[in-house]
Amino acid sequence: AQSVSQHNHHVILSEAASLELGCNYSYGGTVNLFWYVQYPGQHLQLLLKYFSGDPLVKGIKGFEAEFIKSKFSFNLRKPSVQWSDTAEYFCAVILDTGRRALTFGSGTRLQVQP
Amino acid sequence: DTGVSQDPRHKITKRGQNVTFRCDPISEHNRLYWYRQTLGQGPEFLTYFQNEAQLEKSRLLSDRFSAERPKGSFSTLEIQRTEQGDSAMYLCASSPAVSTDTQYFGPGTRLTVL
Repeated sequence: AQSVSQHNHHVILSEAASLELGCNYSYGGTVNLFWYVQYPGQHLQLLLKYFSGDPLVKGIKGFEAEFIKSKFSFNLRKPSVQWSDTAEYFCAVILDTGRRALTFGSGTRLQVQP
Repeated sequence: DTGVSQDPRHKITKRGQNVTFRCDPISEHNRLYWYRQTLGQGPEFLTYFQNEAQLEKSRLLSDRFSAERPKGSFSTLEIQRTEQGDSAMYLCASSPAVSTDTQYFGPGTRLTVL
């Protein structure tokens, strides 16, 4: 069965620190990959997505992610976090099999301290 | 506001009662999805519609759950004979019917079964 793993459940950083959140999936075929963010009290919002092409994807608010097919990974990065980045981050995948269901990881709670 | 809307935002019910939630997708989005999210987990897919047709159903969607989208616009999710294990956030998302579609999420309905 396909799964998505987010290894960091809770990350605490100081402002201006660099961020990397891990995401791995288990599926040998073509995938569409997503990172969603949920700020406190708000609904899920799309940060960035990868369908094809350049494996380095840039999203909103200075976030980027790199798809490494050989490692089945889609890690999220930001060079310098801000207090406003405090949120829960979810990696998600759609299999290219005609299904449309998103499979989510369990999420990473990021806490940025001022 | 032209985003996905859900009603009610909160629902408290007693075990054994029936509940119904409504989702209004973004205008002109053909696809509509229901997910369920419990504390500390990522959303889990329940079902998906393209226009009026229900095209995918998760094994999570037991016989007590039914979803409809009668006119291809809003959708309802009904849970019959609620159980305490049904307590969760029920999320709705919508997307346009293109191969590179992105799912946009609503604020969710938080169900508490006493």
